[in-house]
Amino acid sequence: GDSVTQMEGPVTLSEEAFLTINCTYTATGYPSLFWYVQYPGEGLQLLLKATKADDKGSNKGFEATYRKETTSFHLEKGSVQVSDSAVYFCALNNYGQNFVFGPGTRLSVLP
Amino acid sequence: GAVVSQHPSWVICKSGTSVKIECRSLDFQATTMFWYRQFPKQSLMLMATSNEGSKATYEQGVEKDKFLINHASLTLSTLTVTSAHPEDSSFYICSARDGRGQNTEAFFGQGTRLTVV
Repeated sequence: GDSVTQMEGPVTLSEEAFLTINCTYTATGYPSLFWYVQYPGEGLQLLLKATKADDKGSNKGFEATYRKETTSFHLEKGSVQVSDSAVYFCALNNYGQNFVFGPGTRLSVLP
Repeated sequence: GAVVSQHPSWVICKSGTSVKIECRSLDFQATTMFWYRQFPKQSLMLMATSNEGSKATYEQGVEKDKFLINHASLTLSTLTVTSAHPEDSSFYICSARDGRGQNTEAFFGQGTRLTVV
């Protein structure tokens, strides 16, 4: 079945550091790919998405590119802030079926 | 984006009682709703998928008699945890999508933290 693998962390960075969270997937067909963020005690919020190969999703300084050749969707941000501290989930959705989530990566940004 | 409202956001109940969690799509028709469970510091695990007007499809290992799902309208689905026990304590999240057309995006509720004492 479909699956998502991502670095589990926790990842601890200093403010203004560069962030990369790796995500790779296994799926049949051509899934849509997503990054969701979960702040402490809250539900999931869509951060960005890409629906086809070579698409780049971006939002709030975060970006990720759908790489079909490497089945990857790595999340990057050039300069993280303390307010970016959260858990980040990579996910895929195959033709409107349920989402398949990665295990989540906890990010802590220190001032 | 579309809004999914989940209620309550947190609930504490006594062991043996039942708890109902509501998931509403506020500005779109949710032909399909998904219920997920999240254990502390873990990812979301799909519990069941429900299509409006049909019986829910449960994932392997999820007790359908314990987790009752109703999706009677295009804007409301409910999850009832029956005879709750402490091991049912968890974070429950719903998501909803409009399955008509080509849109694959689903929108998530804010989650319900259930604590059974």
